[in-house]
Amino acid sequence: EAGVTQFPSHSVIEKGQTVTLRCDPISGHDNLYWYRRVMGKEIKFLLHFVKESKQDESGMPNNRFLAERTGGTYSTLKVQPAELEDSGVYFCASSLKTGDYGYTFGSGTRLTVV
Amino acid sequence: GNSVTQMEGPVTLSEEAFLTINCTYTATGYPSLFWYVQYPGEGLQLLLKATKADDKGSNKGFEATYRKETTSFHLEKGSVQVSDSAVYFCALSDGKGYSTLTFGKGTMLLVSP
Repeated sequence: EAGVTQFPSHSVIEKGQTVTLRCDPISGHDNLYWYRRVMGKEIKFLLHFVKESKQDESGMPNNRFLAERTGGTYSTLKVQPAELEDSGVYFCASSLKTGDYGYTFGSGTRLTVV
Repeated sequence: GNSVTQMEGPVTLSEEAFLTINCTYTATGYPSLFWYVQYPGEGLQLLLKATKADDKGSNKGFEATYRKETTSFHLEKGSVQVSDSAVYFCALSDGKGYSTLTFGKGTMLLVSP
C-alpha cells in the first residue's frame, strides 16, 4: 500500500510569492489532516478534511492560507503571499476513520521563505 | 488548553545505553497519549500509545507508562541502537471532536557506536 505522499519535499521561495503544497493520502482514507512544525517549536494542527469537507480549520493561522481537497482525494495547501514566519515543515496525515488514531503521516514539505 | 512538554535535546548516548525521554502533559479529562518517531528523511511514525491511566505502551523495545497522578508519559528503552537515532515526539489527543493531536517540541536522539 502506498503511503501518504507529499510534494515538493523542499521549497524555497521569496517573501510575497505564492507556494502550493500537495498531499496525496492513502487511497480510501476519508480523513486528511495538515500539521505544521515551525523550527524549534511544536507540531501544530492546521486543519482536518473529511472527504472534501473542511471539518475543523481552527488551526489555520490566517487568511493567507487556503486548503482545498477537490473530490475528496488529494489536498493542496496554498500560501499567498508567503511571509518569513511561514517557514517550517508542513506535514500531511490521513486516516481511515474519524477518531482513528491510526494516522499515517507523510514525510513533510520543508518550506523556506527568504 | 492542551499542552505537551518534553525534554530538550539533543540527547546523545552510546550504543546499549539506557534511554529516558521525559514527557509531561496538561489536558482536561482523560487524554490518550502517544509517542511518534521521525527517522531522517521519513514521515512521523506512531511508536506506541496508551489510552488510559496505568496503561503501558510498548513497541520495538520502547516503553512508556501513562501516569495520571504525575501527568507524565516518559519514553524508555533499556539498550539503544544506532538505528534508534531519530526525533521523538510526545503527543496527546483529548478524544473530543475529531481527535486532533497536540504535540511536544520533539527530542532528537543521537546514538553513537
